[in-house]
Amino acid sequence: EIVMTQSPATLSVSPGERATLSCRASQSVSSNLAWYQQKPGQAPRLLIYGASTRATGIPARFSGSGSGTEFTLTISSLQSEDFAVYYCQQYNNWPPAGYTFGQGTKLEIK
Amino acid sequence: EVQLVQSGAEVKKPGESLKISCKGSGYSFTSYWIGWVRQMPGKGLEWMGIIYPGDSDTRYSPSFQGQVTISADKSISTAYLQWSSLKASDTAMYYCARGESSSGWYYYFDYWGQGTLVTVSS
Repeated sequence: EIVMTQSPATLSVSPGERATLSCRASQSVSSNLAWYQQKPGQAPRLLIYGASTRATGIPARFSGSGSGTEFTLTISSLQSEDFAVYYCQQYNNWPPAGYTFGQGTKLEIK
Repeated sequence: EVQLVQSGAEVKKPGESLKISCKGSGYSFTSYWIGWVRQMPGKGLEWMGIIYPGDSDTRYSPSFQGQVTISADKSISTAYLQWSSLKASDTAMYYCARGESSSGWYYYFDYWGQGTLVTVSS
């Protein structure tokens, strides 16, 4: 099973500043990497798929990069609604099985 | 509009059985995989398994193989997650989600249900 490791566990950033979240895979997942945002009491929401493609309706301040084992989610100028928990997920198997999530990064207001 | 609507919260005792549901609408239910994700209280997301309602092809994460059963009834556009004998450790929020692919081979989750809270307590 591929292990996804996110860092840091908690990130404190001021509104308007840039946030950089990292995700590392224990083996290559090519570009089959998604990022999700989850706010308290809500279901996760897809932000990024294919490592760098924004999902429908996601603001341009969210960007993803990386391939292989190292990935980054960048939020260019934090808005109040961006403070949440972020998960990466690899989906590099066919048939689909054993897809795994990272443990999450909590983005909090500094 | 794509929607996944899950059944309501459940409170069960250890050893009881349970089947929760996820009804899809606004898209061709038989043409997309539907997956299940567990979130234990205060914890992260865990990928449980996935089903293709078109032919009922079902795949499980090794951690959940044999612990739950995923099924679907395409005639009513509904996927299910069931347990034959619940444990206290099954207490969690369970989400269904639609599998989408840009390649036709690898699937991320683009739409999610609202979640079903399952509480198992004596």
